[in-house]
Amino acid sequence: AQSVTQLGSHVSVSEGALVLLRCNYSSSVPPYLFWYVQYPNQGLQLLLKYTSAATLVKGINGFEAEFKKSETSFHLTKPSAHMSDAAEYFCAVGGTGTASKLTFGTGTRLQVTL
Amino acid sequence: GAGVSQSPSNKVTEKGKDVELRCDPISGHTALYWYRQSLGQGLEFLIYFQGNSAPDKSGLPSDRFSAERTGGSVSTLTIQRTQQEDSAVYLCASSPRRDGEQYFGPGTRLTVT
Repeated sequence: AQSVTQLGSHVSVSEGALVLLRCNYSSSVPPYLFWYVQYPNQGLQLLLKYTSAATLVKGINGFEAEFKKSETSFHLTKPSAHMSDAAEYFCAVGGTGTASKLTFGTGTRLQVTL
Repeated sequence: GAGVSQSPSNKVTEKGKDVELRCDPISGHTALYWYRQSLGQGLEFLIYFQGNSAPDKSGLPSDRFSAERTGGSVSTLTIQRTQQEDSAVYLCASSPRRDGEQYFGPGTRLTVT
């Protein structure tokens, strides 16, 4: 079975500060990993994905994530937070073969303050 | 181009009634997924359609839930005899292939009173 754990249900950063959202995964096979963002009353938007190519993945809106097999982690970062980044972020595993369905973490709500 | 669309955007129903939720995937996408998002359970997989293969129904919480996909395109999720615990946002996603990234619709917010 595959699973993900997101550490911290709420993260608050100042505008311009580094954003770091943590995700650890568990998978018996090489995983596909994803980060999605959800703005209030909207669906999920794909930020980036890891599918066993480059371990450093760049996504939209200046976000990136690094796959670290030794740490079973896929943390999401952005060098400088913007007010518009305030949203809920979900890490997910799956999307491959018979495990095509996504298994989501519990989400991290990012607050950006002035 | 058009994304995944879902209707209705909001649905309020009385306990015990049946409801149908509709999903229009992105044209040409062969894979279609239903998920449920609720405060208590987070985001949960419900059912997955891939082309003409038998659907993966492993996430359906009870036999009151069913879904179909007609002509490989539009999908309908049906909940019979709704219960208050069915209140949630139901999200649909489609993908161009089995292993592709999933594109989500805006969801249908279901409230059972």
